[in-house]
Amino acid sequence: GIQVEQSPPDLILQEGANSTLRCNFSDSVNNLQWFHQNPWGQLINLFYIPSGTKQNGRLSATTVATERYSLLYISSSQTTDSGVYFCAVRRYDSASKIIFGSGTRLSIRP
Amino acid sequence: DTGVSQDPRHKITKRGQNVTFRCDPISEHNRLYWYRQTLGQGPEFLTYFQNEAQLEKSRLLSDRFSAERPKGSFSTLEIQRTEQGDSAMYLCASSLVSAGISDTQYFGPGTRLTVL
Repeated sequence: GIQVEQSPPDLILQEGANSTLRCNFSDSVNNLQWFHQNPWGQLINLFYIPSGTKQNGRLSATTVATERYSLLYISSSQTTDSGVYFCAVRRYDSASKIIFGSGTRLSIRP
Repeated sequence: DTGVSQDPRHKITKRGQNVTFRCDPISEHNRLYWYRQTLGQGPEFLTYFQNEAQLEKSRLLSDRFSAERPKGSFSTLEIQRTEQGDSAMYLCASSLVSAGISDTQYFGPGTRLTVL
């Protein structure tokens, strides 16, 4: 099956700093989503981005499908950005499940 | 905002008991998914429905697990004869699959199961 690797596994930053999270995947995909899992376990949709670039406030994401990676940028970090960020993909020939990476745990210190 | 809802949010049970979880998807969504998440890991796919039809099941879904979506709306996930290894967060997601619409999955808050 398709492999999804996220880096770094852990990231500790001061409030106000910028960060870049990376997601590598091993095959072509027809679906890629970024999620933020808050401390209560809720998965919150950030982006649906199988290719291209999108921005939403302080967050932006870029997926280079031909090179099989996606990047999530967080600018001017706030303590509420803390949590685990997951990348999830669906292989190009699948119509169903998305496969999650193991996540990046982000801790923003005040 | 009527997102995906799950009930109960927490369940503590003794080994060997049966448990049932419910998921109510976003109302117009035709697909419903179940995932399981253990501590420190990303969610893992269990099964999914297109309307009322169960179209795929993971090898993770042993014979003790059964899922239904009888009318194409809410779904239930039942675990029979629970084992300590079943302790996890069970997540439900839904999506709308239609021409020209991105297949974005939206997740519920999850049901945390603890098997003693």
